[in-house]
Amino acid sequence: AQSVTQLDSHVSVSEGTPVLLRCNYSSSYSPSLFWYVQHPNKGLQLLLKYTSAATLVKGINGFEAEFKKSETSFHLTKPSAHMSDAAEYFCVVSYGGATNKLIFGTGTLLAVQP
Amino acid sequence: GAGVSQSPSNKVTEKGKDVELRCDPISGHTALYWYRQSLGQGLEFLIYFQGNSAPDKSGLPSDRFSAERTGGSVSTLTIQRTQQEDSAVYLCASSLEGRIQETQYFGPGTRLLVL
Repeated sequence: AQSVTQLDSHVSVSEGTPVLLRCNYSSSYSPSLFWYVQHPNKGLQLLLKYTSAATLVKGINGFEAEFKKSETSFHLTKPSAHMSDAAEYFCVVSYGGATNKLIFGTGTLLAVQP
Repeated sequence: GAGVSQSPSNKVTEKGKDVELRCDPISGHTALYWYRQSLGQGLEFLIYFQGNSAPDKSGLPSDRFSAERTGGSVSTLTIQRTQQEDSAVYLCASSLEGRIQETQYFGPGTRLLVL
């Protein structure tokens, strides 16, 4: 089955230090890949998406992700964490087909310590 | 412009009752999706509409769940004879045409609690 795996359910970093949230996808054929963020009691917001144009994708709020086909990975990074980055992050894949439905990872809860 | 809206934001119901959840997509978006977010199952796809048709209902968990869309706009998700395991946040999303690589824009969700 097509799927996406987020390797860490919780990540804790100190403010000002780098963030790395890991994601691997199953490789049937070229997917579209997304990262969404969900702040407490807020809706899902798109951070960035990979659509086969450039392998390094820049998103909002200083986040970026690199598509590595050889590793079937799409890890999310940010050079310097801010307190406002504390939220749950979802790696999401779509394989297109008739519906373009999204398949979500289980989420990574990011905590940022002062 | 206005985003995806959902109503009600919260719904508490008793086991066995029927509930209706509403989604207003972004104007002009032909594709509409329903997802469910629950503690045990994470975020999962329920149903996809293209216009008023639902070519993919594969995620609906049982025949107690149904959905319709009218006028290519508003959609209603109905759960009949609710069970406690139906408690979850129901999310609606829309996109322009339903093509691969399109961004899906999510509403704030309806939090359903079945007592």
